[in-house]
Amino acid sequence: ELKVEQNPLFLSMQEGKNYTIYCNYSTTSDRLYWYRQDPGKSLESLFVLLSNGAVKQEGRLMASLDTKARLSTLHITAAVHDLSATYFCAVDIGGGGADGLTFGKGTHLIIQP
Amino acid sequence: DTGVSQNPRHKITKRGQNVTFRCDPISEHNRLYWYRQTLGQGPEFLTYFQNEAQLEKSRLLSDRFSAERPKGSFSTLEIQRTEQGDSAMYLCASSLTGNQPQHFGDGTRLSIL
Repeated sequence: ELKVEQNPLFLSMQEGKNYTIYCNYSTTSDRLYWYRQDPGKSLESLFVLLSNGAVKQEGRLMASLDTKARLSTLHITAAVHDLSATYFCAVDIGGGGADGLTFGKGTHLIIQP
Repeated sequence: DTGVSQNPRHKITKRGQNVTFRCDPISEHNRLYWYRQTLGQGPEFLTYFQNEAQLEKSRLLSDRFSAERPKGSFSTLEIQRTEQGDSAMYLCASSLTGNQPQHFGDGTRLSIL
């Protein structure tokens, strides 16, 4: 059974600081997704990582994938309050989405002024 | 707005009643997914359709749950004889291919009295 573990599960940080969220998964996969969820809202796609060594960047967020280590990271640079949200990683092991995505528990991120 | 649409947004019902939710995916997306999310957890995969064919069902989808996508467009998820443990947010997602992110609707929040 695929397990997806995120850490930390809760993170409070100050604006302007850098931090990294880690996502480990237990079964071979080369498809990993990062989503953002604001309170009471649905999930917004942030990044799609489809190969070993993939790196994607959007604004202050950068995601990477190491399939050999079964590890993805989401790095936040010079955090701003607007990035406060819950961030989920999700792994697809079914090959093309046929088995759906397995999500981690999420990292609840609070960025304080 | 041409995103994934779900109705109703909130459903309150008594234990033992049947409920049905509807999902309208993004129009050109042939892949449709149902997930369930409880407070503080990531979404859990329930079932997957490619066009009108239901190709995968999770163990979470008990006999009381049934999903359909009769013409390969909208989908319905029915829960019969609801139980307290069915209280959750039910999310629908769609995608064009297995390599693209799943786009999520705003969900239907089910509350069982």
